[in-house]
Amino acid sequence: EPEVTQTPSHQVTQMGQEVILRCVPISNHLYFYWYRQILGQKVEFLVSFYNNEISEKSEIFDDQFSVERPDGSNFTLKIRSTKLEDSAMYFCASSEQGGHTDTQYFGPGTRLTVL
Amino acid sequence: GNSVTQMEGPVTLSEEAFLTINCTYTATGYPSLFWYVQYPGEGLQLLLKATKADDKGSNKGFEATYRKETTSFHLEKGSVQVSDSAVYFCALSAHQGGKLIFGQGTELSVKP
Repeated sequence: EPEVTQTPSHQVTQMGQEVILRCVPISNHLYFYWYRQILGQKVEFLVSFYNNEISEKSEIFDDQFSVERPDGSNFTLKIRSTKLEDSAMYFCASSEQGGHTDTQYFGPGTRLTVL
Repeated sequence: GNSVTQMEGPVTLSEEAFLTINCTYTATGYPSLFWYVQYPGEGLQLLLKATKADDKGSNKGFEATYRKETTSFHLEKGSVQVSDSAVYFCALSAHQGGKLIFGQGTELSVKP
């Protein structure tokens, strides 16, 4: 069964450094998403991406964040200058058509630790 | 705005006990409703979903019915197993683009 993959599984970085989290969505899916889960808190929507542009973003997704689909398979989340409060589990997801009835398939997550 | 509220955990049950995890939502329009499960050390997996009022989603012995009149989507299972120990998330999606809005998650621990 096709699955969403994410790398790395765990990233440790110093405050102020840039990080890039990588995802490979399911190949025939058109909508891609990033979510994050701070330890002990809700899973929160960050951004959705369709047709090579941001479809929707949350208040969390400020100028420090950016997303890109650099080739036909990867989908990346970049945090330009990490802060302590960016420490969280980051999940990538994809869905076939992006409709509100569609299932979103999640990757296993990247645990980001900012020191 | 749209939101989801779940009962707080952790919930601890003995094997073969009946499970209910309550979920209520606030949304404009007609959202789709989902239950996702997160097993220890893993990502989120869809457990079941319902896309319109009175629909029942079911999978692996779990069921949930979309109740518009009570804005609820409670998760039930008649007889839980140790392997059901996980965190369960209720979520909704309300428009094209389909961002998911999650509840806070309910941790279930099933003891032999």
